[in-house]
Amino acid sequence: DAGVIQSPRHEVTEMGQEVTLRCKPISGHNSLFWYRQTMMRGLELLIYFNNNVPIDDSGMPEDRFSAKMPNASFSTLKIQPSEPRDSAVYFCASSSQGLGEQYFGPGTRLTVT
Amino acid sequence: GEDVEQSLFLSVREGDSSVINCTYTDSSSTYLYWYKQEPGAGLQLLTYIFSNMDMKQDQRLTVLLNKKDKHLSLRIADTQTGDSAIYFCGDNSGNTPLVFGKGTRLSVIA
Repeated sequence: DAGVIQSPRHEVTEMGQEVTLRCKPISGHNSLFWYRQTMMRGLELLIYFNNNVPIDDSGMPEDRFSAKMPNASFSTLKIQPSEPRDSAVYFCASSSQGLGEQYFGPGTRLTVT
Repeated sequence: GEDVEQSLFLSVREGDSSVINCTYTDSSSTYLYWYKQEPGAGLQLLTYIFSNMDMKQDQRLTVLLNKKDKHLSLRIADTQTGDSAIYFCGDNSGNTPLVFGKGTRLSVIA
């Protein structure tokens, strides 16, 4: 298996633009997680899905952030409009063994200028 | 809410043992995890321990769990330069997602 796939790997955009991050989980995994990592705040769980249904989005910082999982093999995290403080590395992870044993993608480094 | 604490930095000499410590607050934890993050990469599961165990050994890695004190440690024997990374402790209570600490950056000096 190719592991969790994220695209793009790097994104540079201007403040106010819409940003869409994409994730393909490992085939057969039924849980998917979106995280954000910054030096200041560490690793934060934004939202997670189980069987394509959002279970807990309490970590989503603002209404500017939204996430969807239209099917078992694809998820998106959208930021609209983006702000410089959204600059971070965004990770997607998936799991088939409960919520603890997670497999992480390589991340998307987002820079908002 | 649940909190997981780790020291931020650790520096050791190549060949020595490294001990990375973690404390957690959730008394209903079922599994505790150690993840490793190398530069430019996502987190990778290293090992985990079930809460009714007090020790688990896996090659150079030894995990110790003191459930009474809610203290978890990861010992890396014969630390190598390739072990330089950020190590995250994670706490799972079954039906809730992992709560991660802020990570301990391990630097190995040759």
